[in-house]
Amino acid sequence: AQSVTQPDIHITVSEGASLELRCNYSYGATPYLFWYVQSPGQGLQLLLKYFSGDTLVQGIKGFEAEFKRSQSSFNLRKPSVHWSDAAEYFCAVGPTSGGSYIPTFGRGTSLIVHP
Amino acid sequence: DAMVIQNPRYQVTQFGKPVTLSCSQTLNHNVMYWYQQKSSQAPKLLFHYYDKDFNNEADTPDNFQSRRPNTSFCFLDIRSPGLGDAAMYLCATSIGDGEQYFGPGTRLTVT
Repeated sequence: AQSVTQPDIHITVSEGASLELRCNYSYGATPYLFWYVQSPGQGLQLLLKYFSGDTLVQGIKGFEAEFKRSQSSFNLRKPSVHWSDAAEYFCAVGPTSGGSYIPTFGRGTSLIVHP
Repeated sequence: DAMVIQNPRYQVTQFGKPVTLSCSQTLNHNVMYWYQQKSSQAPKLLFHYYDKDFNNEADTPDNFQSRRPNTSFCFLDIRSPGLGDAAMYLCATSIGDGEQYFGPGTRLTVT
């Protein structure tokens, strides 16, 4: 069975500082990996995804993530955080082509941005 | 713009009074999902449709039902809401590769 671990429940950074949110997964085949962001009272929005190819993927809002197969990780990064990035971030692992289509979500990491 | 729409955004219902939440999509995706999300938790899948094929998660209470009359619309029925059913309900769609498009959610309050 697939699983996702986001080890940090809360992360606090200062505006302008760099950010890294951790995500580790367990999956028996080549995974599809996703990062979503959720602002308070809103639905989830896709930041970026990895299906195959280049292991460094660029997303919206200046975010990027790197797939490291050897470490089973897909950490999210941003070089300079803005106050508007304060939100909940969810990592998810999904099925490969031909498999089931039910992504598994991590428990989320709450990002707090100090001015 | 193609999108996922949920109505209403806020719903207040009384304990035990049936309630229906709706979701519509203009993306023409064949997969639709309903999630329940409680505060500071990950979304919990209730059920999903692949086209008209309905799939119920094993731990989804019988109190929750769903209908998908056509590709564009999907409904979540809660037959007898309890206080523990107060949550955000999220609808999402997908072409089946795992990437999901979420609606803004319906916040359900049970009084």
